[in-house]
Amino acid sequence: DTGVSQDPRHKITKRGQNVTFRCDPISEHNRLYWYRQTLGQGPEFLTYFQNEAQLEKSRLLSDRFSAERPKGSFSTLEIQRTEQGDSAMYLCASSTWTSGTRPREQYFGPGTRLTVT
Amino acid sequence: QKEVEQNSGPLSVPEGAIASLNCTYSDRGSQSFFWYRQYSGKSPELIMFIYSNGDKEDGRFTAQLNKASQYVSLLIRDSQPSDSATYLCAVNEGTYKYIFGTGTRLKVLA
Repeated sequence: DTGVSQDPRHKITKRGQNVTFRCDPISEHNRLYWYRQTLGQGPEFLTYFQNEAQLEKSRLLSDRFSAERPKGSFSTLEIQRTEQGDSAMYLCASSTWTSGTRPREQYFGPGTRLTVT
Repeated sequence: QKEVEQNSGPLSVPEGAIASLNCTYSDRGSQSFFWYRQYSGKSPELIMFIYSNGDKEDGRFTAQLNKASQYVSLLIRDSQPSDSATYLCAVNEGTYKYIFGTGTRLKVLA
């Protein structure tokens, strides 16, 4: 168990550019989550996958955000035409889940800190 | 939108004391409750999870759950300066979503 990994750890980009982040979950975990966290706030849900299916996307997420988990393993989060308001820590988390059971604990990756100038 | 509320702090305790962190939640259907520790600039780290009413102990940490009062707490015994961090409470909403509080900042004074 190598834990959740994220890449890059830091990204500085200019307004209007596109950025893509990668997340590798714990290998046996079938659920993968993306969150955004700003200073003084808790993680805010963006979207989640169960295996390769994206089952919910937050209403707070604009159409500039897209996520994929093509083979049910790693996931990517892309932000198009970045804005200064997108500056935040982007967190990935994974967990296991079996139908009929309660939600289990999530484990977070180290995060990607995005700065839009 | 379901809510999880925490006092933002800071909560200051002397080294060796018991730190008590509290969290209330709005969704009576919640079944899973989690505490995470987050150091400045780092990602959340799972400390405890609890599913049933009562207490659950793990080393210096005790999680307490009272579903009737919709209240979950975390006690840290023999607090150390290295415990100084923000503690996030998280609660499930439905079968897949987790709602986080804004966190309580704990300062352990040497």
